[in-house]
Amino acid sequence: QQQVKQSPQSLIVQKGGISIINCAYENTAFDYFPWYQQFPGKGPALLIAIRPDVSEKKEGRFTISFNKSAKQFSLHIMDSQPGDSATYFCAASWGGGNKLTFGTGTQLKVEL
Amino acid sequence: GAVVSQHPSWVICKSGTSVKIECRSLDFQATTMFWYRQFPKKSLMLMATSNEGSKATYEQGVEKDKFLINHASLTLSTLTVTSAHPEDSSFYICSAPPSGANVLTFGAGSRLTVL
Repeated sequence: QQQVKQSPQSLIVQKGGISIINCAYENTAFDYFPWYQQFPGKGPALLIAIRPDVSEKKEGRFTISFNKSAKQFSLHIMDSQPGDSATYFCAASWGGGNKLTFGTGTQLKVEL
Repeated sequence: GAVVSQHPSWVICKSGTSVKIECRSLDFQATTMFWYRQFPKKSLMLMATSNEGSKATYEQGVEKDKFLINHASLTLSTLTVTSAHPEDSSFYICSAPPSGANVLTFGAGSRLTVL
């Protein structure tokens, strides 16, 4: 029940294209859903996060879509750039706590 | 912004020795810090929750005697890998929530290689 399933495992997108990464969860107690970006040899950095009371959140080129009934959420990266090439992790936590359960990660490569 | 610093960023040690990794919150106090372990191209696995002034809470399957955690002050938590073996080689990452924030700030990680 604590699992967060993430797909795809890897993704190649052309520059300017849209990158889409999907996550699904089982635990309905989860109430905070962040996305993290991680470059090789570095710690994860918070990209954007959403709570289940909204269905979409946009920050610049990054958008989270959230479907509470389906228990799914996704990250959309618009106008993908080579600098976006990194590993992306979705995560979830509950009860206002900071104990995150991470998805399995998606390795994104944006090609010229 | 909130910064979490880890030291060392990488360390190589011989099998059987112990290695200490420090995690510091530079511009905020943290009563709780989290230690994660990450294998190459894998997800982050929560190892334990470090609690200032009390014992750490370990996740199921994590050996308490192998991974000693001490949270001596509001800005410092340490992870000591005792009697390290090659299978302990990994990327160890700590994180902490800045006061009043429901967000985690992660350190840059510490890569441990045990020969």
